[in-house]
Amino acid sequence: EAAVTQSPRNKVAVTGGKVTLSCNQTNNHNNMYWYRQDTGHGLRLIHYSYGAGSTEKGDIPDGYKASRPSQENFSLILELATPSQTSVYFCASGGQNSGNTLYFGEGSRLIVV
Amino acid sequence: GDSVTQKQGQVTLSEDDFLFINCTYSTTTYPTLFWYVQYPGQGPQLLLKVTTANNKGISRGFEATYDKGTTSFHLQKASVQESDSAVYFCALVPDTNAYKVIFGKGTHLHVLP
Repeated sequence: EAAVTQSPRNKVAVTGGKVTLSCNQTNNHNNMYWYRQDTGHGLRLIHYSYGAGSTEKGDIPDGYKASRPSQENFSLILELATPSQTSVYFCASGGQNSGNTLYFGEGSRLIVV
Repeated sequence: GDSVTQKQGQVTLSEDDFLFINCTYSTTTYPTLFWYVQYPGQGPQLLLKVTTANNKGISRGFEATYDKGTTSFHLQKASVQESDSAVYFCALVPDTNAYKVIFGKGTHLHVLP
């Protein structure tokens, strides 16, 4: 069973603070993704990665950085968190070796106050 | 560019009703088409996928046909149950850009007991 684990599951951060959301996958998938989900917007792609050492901008990358130090790990970094970044964040893994099916984590709920 | 359209933001049905969720897509490629389902408090998970035009995908009583002529991939179920209450996302992976998954905005299905 494909497994994607996110941490933390819940986070309250202060405006201007730094937030790091972590994601680990044991599927040996090449691609990893970070999405945010907000009511009325569905899933929006923030950053993705083809493999260790690569990060690419998605559709809404402003205010976010990403890091892929290894095949298994992909982090999303908010250097200066803002209230507009309050959301639920999902990590996913996939790629050609999964038949392009994405496997999602359980989500990280972030509140920026 | 590639896109997926789900016009129904919310659908409310009673148990044993017929379900139809509309999904149309636009692409110049030969995509793989997906339906994902997201239960409350969880990440999205694959419901079904179809890789070949004119083929039908079937899973857990749900079905969808990849109709290249009408560029549609509507989701149907003959008789819904309260446990089917969830958000349903239509998605495509363009043939030439296997890294990127294009999601529709999602349809929230609420099934009344």
